[in-house]
Amino acid sequence: ILNVEQSPQSLHVQEGDSTNFTCSFPSSNFYALHWYRWETAKSPEALFVMTLNGDEKKKGRISATLNTKEGYSYLYIKGSQPEDSATYLCAFRAAGSQGNLIFGKGTKLSVKP
Amino acid sequence: DAGVIQSPRHEVTEMGQEVTLRCKPISGHDYLFWYRQTMMRGLELLIYFNNNVPIDDSGMPEDRFSAKMPNASFSTLKIQPSEPRDSAVYFCASRRGAQGYTFGSGTRLTVV
Repeated sequence: ILNVEQSPQSLHVQEGDSTNFTCSFPSSNFYALHWYRWETAKSPEALFVMTLNGDEKKKGRISATLNTKEGYSYLYIKGSQPEDSATYLCAFRAAGSQGNLIFGKGTKLSVKP
Repeated sequence: DAGVIQSPRHEVTEMGQEVTLRCKPISGHDYLFWYRQTMMRGLELLIYFNNNVPIDDSGMPEDRFSAKMPNASFSTLKIQPSEPRDSAVYFCASRRGAQGYTFGSGTRLTVV
């Protein structure tokens, strides 16, 4: 059974704080790691698709790193803003899986103004 | 592009009734996925299709659940008979090639 774990489960920060959270996934049979941002009452929105060990992707104040050998990815948010409040999901795709993503349960971020 | 379109947005039904959820994927996307989201289990894959053909339905909870994709622009997920434990948000997503998924807005199902 493939397991994708995210930590922490929830996080409360002040506006302006920088924050990061972790996604752990199986280190064998890796194909890709996806990050999604999911606001309440909306649908998950794709942030990054990462495929290479050592990959680093950036979108505005949000960035992500990938270590496929040890099976983890970090998502960083620099200078958090209230509009960053959302659940951040990571999803693992195994080689040969035809695109079936295994999702973690997410990290729920709340940014207080 | 209108994105992935799901209907209805909300469905409240009585136990034992048949429920049909609908999804229109993005044109040109060759994969379609049905996920169920609950507090306890997060996002779980129920079934996915490639070029309208079901590839993996191992996530379908039981025989009460069925899904079809009669053509490239339409899929249904049916629950018959529905039970209170089926209450959840059901998401449809589509994808082309190695790109990320695009999710629909989900259908919130409540079975009373």
